[in-house]
Amino acid sequence: DTAVSQTPKYLVTQMGNDKSIKCEQNLGHDTMYWYKQDSKKFLKIMFSYNNKELIINETVPNRFSPKSPDKAHLNLHINSLELGDSAVYFCASSPAQRGSPYGYTFGSGTRLTVV
Amino acid sequence: DAKTTQPTSMDCAEGRAANLPCNHSTISGNEYVYWYRQIHSQGPQYIIHGLKNNETNEMASLIITEDRKSSTLILPHATLRDTAVYYCIVRVLEDFGNEKLTFGTGTRLTIIP
Repeated sequence: DTAVSQTPKYLVTQMGNDKSIKCEQNLGHDTMYWYKQDSKKFLKIMFSYNNKELIINETVPNRFSPKSPDKAHLNLHINSLELGDSAVYFCASSPAQRGSPYGYTFGSGTRLTVV
Repeated sequence: DAKTTQPTSMDCAEGRAANLPCNHSTISGNEYVYWYRQIHSQGPQYIIHGLKNNETNEMASLIITEDRKSSTLILPHATLRDTAVYYCIVRVLEDFGNEKLTFGTGTRLTIIP
């Protein structure tokens, strides 16, 4: 069983389109995250959700809208895609209970290419 | 979160111990040291973490200096599959998702056959 699964694995789309990336975790974790890894390989956090509530929004453009229907799912919808959105997007989850030092579990990534 | 400094790249012979250093001289008393690795564009993988004491698990050992200003990740018998980018991260634990792993540039470790 895959702990954190993302779909699709690859996504090629034209500028201006709207697309979604889905993420599901079966670990029972309370907190989920979206990270973006650009062409220079820097990993940067975009959002975190705890029990469906948005906690962190790292000055991401409004075109990016995360949605958490339940604590096991965190989807990422992107409107009006731009060339600069091309990157690998990683979903992650963690127990994130107060004082709990558990590590994050990451998905295998979605490679988004905007042409 | 405190910043970390790691060498850009390192090589290690297969079968030998790989020792990856990390400097975190501004670490606070409540910050943990975490290590992750990323194998060729896969998702980052948790390796180990520690606060003050040295730690060991099935993947690696973590040695933290007494003043906590630096640490070393040790892969005892490196294999070719250990070739990856290794990230050292210091992290304060906060409430309910209001904390984040901040990745630096990491060390690219290459295991040489």
